[in-house]
Amino acid sequence: SAVISQKPSRDICQRGTSLTIQCQVDSQVTMMFWYRQQPGQSLTLIATANQGSEATYESGFVIDKFPISRPNLTFSTLTVSNMSPEDSSIYLCSVAGRVTDTQYFGPGTRLTVL
Amino acid sequence: KQEVTQIPAALSVPEGENLVLNCSFTDSAIYNLQWFRQDPGKGLTSLLLIQSSQREQTSGRLNASLDKSSGRSTLYIAASQPGDSATYLCAVRHFQGGSEKLVFGKGTKLTVNP
Repeated sequence: SAVISQKPSRDICQRGTSLTIQCQVDSQVTMMFWYRQQPGQSLTLIATANQGSEATYESGFVIDKFPISRPNLTFSTLTVSNMSPEDSSIYLCSVAGRVTDTQYFGPGTRLTVL
Repeated sequence: KQEVTQIPAALSVPEGENLVLNCSFTDSAIYNLQWFRQDPGKGLTSLLLIQSSQREQTSGRLNASLDKSSGRSTLYIAASQPGDSATYLCAVRHFQGGSEKLVFGKGTKLTVNP
C-alpha cells in the first residue's frame, strides 16, 4: 500500500489569493490524481498529474485556475488560484501503481475561502 | 459517459444487523470496482477492490460482489457495529477521454445505532 501525506491539512484563505497544496507519497507511483470534494458531495476528478509533463485536466477544470506540478514520481502540488468562496472544498491527492491496482487517497486538505 | 449510482443515500440500522449497500454503473467496460469508506472530515480508506474478471472479494465482515454484465455491485456488511458508521463510496475505473479514471458514486451514509 501507499502512504500519502498532504500539506496543509486545512487552511482559511481570503478571496483572490492562491494556495498551494503539497502531496508526498512514500514510494514511487505511476499515476497521481487530484480530486475535489465539495461540501456534501462526492469526489470529482480535477486532473491527472503527469510526471515531467503538463497535467491532463477534466472538463470544467483549467490550468490557469488549478496549476499542477509533478517533478518526480513521489511528489505533486496543486495550486488553487484566485480563490473564491465556491472553491471551498476538500482537495484530495490520490495515487495508483497500475490500472489494476488499488487506488489510495491522502487525508485531504480542507480549504475555506472567505 | 460513465455514471455511478448508489442506493440508498442513507441507511440507519441497529447494531448487529446484516446490511447491503448497492452500487450500479452505466458502462460495463470497466477495469475494476473499488469500495471506500470515508469518515466525516477525513480522506478515503480503501475497503475492497474487485477486478473486472472477478465476482467477489471478502475482507473480514465485508463481502463485495460484482456483476459486470448487469452493471451492479453490492457491499455486504455482516454483524454491523457502531464503528461501521461512515459514508461508503463505490467507484469504477474505466477508460475515458484518453486515460483511465476512477468515477465515484455519491455514497451511502451508514449509521449503526448501539
